[in-house]
Amino acid sequence: QSVLTQPPSASGTPGQRVTISCSGSSSNIGGNRVNWYQQLPGTGPKLLIYSTDQRPSGVPDRFSASKSGTSASLAISGLQSDDEADYHCGAFDASLNAWVFGGGTKLTVL
Amino acid sequence: EVQVVESGGALVQPGGSLRLSCAASGFTFRTYEMHWVRQAPGKGLEWISYISGSGDFVNYGDSGKGRFTISRDNVKNSLHLQMDSLRAEDTALYYCVREKRDANNFGSFDVWGQGTLVTVSS
Repeated sequence: QSVLTQPPSASGTPGQRVTISCSGSSSNIGGNRVNWYQQLPGTGPKLLIYSTDQRPSGVPDRFSASKSGTSASLAISGLQSDDEADYHCGAFDASLNAWVFGGGTKLTVL
Repeated sequence: EVQVVESGGALVQPGGSLRLSCAASGFTFRTYEMHWVRQAPGKGLEWISYISGSGDFVNYGDSGKGRFTISRDNVKNSLHLQMDSLRAEDTALYYCVREKRDANNFGSFDVWGQGTLVTVSS
């Protein structure tokens, strides 16, 4: 059972905008920054968003993220077939003194 | 090129031990905090352990407390995870991960390896 809660799946058609949610508590998302990772099939995760809403160099601006209270969300606009992957949210939990993740959301591009 | 490469995964019997290694290259290893994160088949990510750049400070998630030991060699640019008393539920792909800090000192995991597979089964 993951500390952060994500929907197991999401889907969209090419060009569409999709959002993926990540729910936590005051000890993790509510009190800290959130990171998002993209995991393409058969590969290790890649940092997609850091510090809640920052994109690393090389990540297209089609990817954006935000946070409100104890929930965070990742938005992907102009959906492409290459975006088909698992997306994981993560944050530091001050109560657990541990890094925690969501269970991951499998994004399907129809 | 900045990269980390894991090794040491294997099939091991319940109760057995295994030592994972991670070779880092392309960056000043001693200046980065490092972690181990695992992913069971078909599951999400689970943080296992942390070590400071100097190696003086370590931390463990509940899964590894008392059974796993993280260490590093800043001369050889390597990270290790000694895993004892292994259980079937430890079966997973184990990733070596670099932590980066932003300008406000918030952390994220910016470099991941391809993982090394640990299978615990009789």
